[in-house]
Amino acid sequence: SQQGEEDPQALSIQEGENATMNCSYKTSINNLQWYRQNSGRGLVHLILIRSNEREKHSGRLRVTLDTSKKSSSLLITASRAADTASYFCATDAIGNTPLVFGKGTRLSVIA
Amino acid sequence: EAQVTQNPRYLITVTGKKLTVTCSQNMNHEYMSWYRQDPGLGLRQIYYSMNVEVTDKGDVPEGYKVSRKEKRNFPLILESPSPNQTSLYFCASNRGLPNTEAFFGQGTRLTVV
Repeated sequence: SQQGEEDPQALSIQEGENATMNCSYKTSINNLQWYRQNSGRGLVHLILIRSNEREKHSGRLRVTLDTSKKSSSLLITASRAADTASYFCATDAIGNTPLVFGKGTRLSVIA
Repeated sequence: EAQVTQNPRYLITVTGKKLTVTCSQNMNHEYMSWYRQDPGLGLRQIYYSMNVEVTDKGDVPEGYKVSRKEKRNFPLILESPSPNQTSLYFCASNRGLPNTEAFFGQGTRLTVV
């Protein structure tokens, strides 16, 4: 089934730097979502961007969506040690199908 | 507090011994689903339910059963667990359509020996 693919698989940065994660997907979508998962815990919804939107902000998060390239990016600005987690993109397909999650990017923010 | 509650959080069992993982949500959500998470494979959907008495298979349904007799509860049943079902399991609910924001439980780490 359709699946988002995050890139890179793992990312390590210093506190205060920006972190950028990318997601690519295969077929047309209604929306794309980003989730965060702290080690072994449940996923927490961060942001949803619709297919007719190009950019969305929420606090230190900035998400872009390029439907022509079938890709999205999540930017976390001024990262903190508490941002250390895995980040997943989730996509649906036209027709309101269930969400399909990628394999995630593991972000480590070093204090 | 709006939440999805799974029980148990941790479970070690033996091959073939039937078990049930419970899931309950207090948000009156129609859509509920179960995922398993394995290293290198990400989250894969096992079963989902659009509403009471309506369930359907996800990507990896083999070896699992579910039921949706009430809106708030969506138990996952392993009739005869096998070691390849050792995994981290998550229940999730969505307010309406399945492509809306998903709320996840805290997870159940299952080990089948």
